[in-house]
Amino acid sequence: EAGVTQSPTHLIKTRGQQATLRCSPISGHTSVYWYQQALGLGLQFLLWYDEGEERNRGNFPPRFSGRQFPNYSSELNVNALELEDSALYLCASPGAGDSTDTQYFGPGTRLTVL
Amino acid sequence: KQEVTQIPAALSVPEGENLVLNCSFTDSAIYNLQWFRQDPGKGLTSLLLIQSSQREQTSGRLNASLDKSSGRSTLYIAASQPGDSATYLCAVKDLSSGSARQLTFGSGTQLTVLP
Repeated sequence: EAGVTQSPTHLIKTRGQQATLRCSPISGHTSVYWYQQALGLGLQFLLWYDEGEERNRGNFPPRFSGRQFPNYSSELNVNALELEDSALYLCASPGAGDSTDTQYFGPGTRLTVL
Repeated sequence: KQEVTQIPAALSVPEGENLVLNCSFTDSAIYNLQWFRQDPGKGLTSLLLIQSSQREQTSGRLNASLDKSSGRSTLYIAASQPGDSATYLCAVKDLSSGSARQLTFGSGTQLTVLP
């Protein structure tokens, strides 16, 4: 099965701009999870989308938002970028069949805010 | 609130050595625990998943154990190789998260296997 894909690989923005990150889950799966991995803070849960709706969010401000499209791909938007938003953003999707409890991660988008 | 801790933060061993990575969690009401590997600047690769009803899982040279009552898991790597050098992360899914599958991660152990 095709894995989780993310784009772009790298993104460089300046403070105050908006960033848009994209993710496609494993084919046929409806859930997408977003995580932030900032230096020194570890991996933190950001958002969960399923069947086109936001189901849960972590402890992040409202300027972190997103959406899920009918084909289950997802977009993460970060508005009014701040320096501390610089991080690796990872997207995850459950697997198929017997491995539905396993989370599979994409390669990530490295966001740098200058 | 679930907290996951990994000790040590960094570990350096000579090639061929067997080693153990530790993970502890504060809330034993977990659904499962998953070990991942992360290479520098890359995404996560799933290594092993242990359901809360299981005691251990094995894949090749890797063996993960789970003691839910004490809030601990270990990842055992046999006959380590330089290619095993990476950061190893453990993550738990809590029962309290319901149908959600978001994970709570430890901060990882950075492993270096010296040739």
